[in-house]
Amino acid sequence: GQQVMQIPQYQHVQEGEDFTTYCNSSTTLSNIQWYKQRPGGHPVFLIQLVKSGEVKKQKRLTFQFGEAKKNSSLHITATQTTDVGTYFCAGVHPRTGKLIFGQGTTLQVKP
Amino acid sequence: DSGVTQTPKHLITATGQRVTLRCSPRSGDLSVYWYQQSLDQGLQFLIQYYNGEERAKGNILERFSAQQFPDLHSELNLSSLELGDSALYFCASSGSQGMNTEAFFGQGTRLTVV
Repeated sequence: GQQVMQIPQYQHVQEGEDFTTYCNSSTTLSNIQWYKQRPGGHPVFLIQLVKSGEVKKQKRLTFQFGEAKKNSSLHITATQTTDVGTYFCAGVHPRTGKLIFGQGTTLQVKP
Repeated sequence: DSGVTQTPKHLITATGQRVTLRCSPRSGDLSVYWYQQSLDQGLQFLIQYYNGEERAKGNILERFSAQQFPDLHSELNLSSLELGDSALYFCASSGSQGMNTEAFFGQGTRLTVV
């Protein structure tokens, strides 16, 4: 079945360092979404990417969708303690329409 | 506040029992999704309802069932509970039939089976 793999599982950085999480799907996706879940909280939608090779920015966050629409990345520049949480990618399968989440990358930021 | 309401917030029950989790979607959203999140696990898609009809099914056990009522609220029924069913159960809603738009998640119900 469709799988969405996300690496790394955990990342500890010093405040001010950059952070990247990668998402890979076993199948081509119709779109990919990114969510952030703060400790003890619920997932909150960040962004959706639809087009092949699409790049979107939100302040210090840069999201990319691969040319083959099978992979994606989230890059955070100059991390802050408010960036702490688990970042999930979620891909939509073009045939089944299901939104399948990756395992998430948990980011810890040391002040 | 996402606008999605889940009750109860916490639930502790014994093995073999049956529980019902409730979700009220955002006003106007027709789709409701249920996800299971175990410790250190990602979000496992269970099932989706759209305007009262089952729309998509994920890795939902036969012991679990769900429904969406005419007022669009949804219930997830978990029966013959096992220790491994202990998890955070999230409900999400969206305005579209497909999963290609932003989903709004509730605060979750933390189920502990003892």
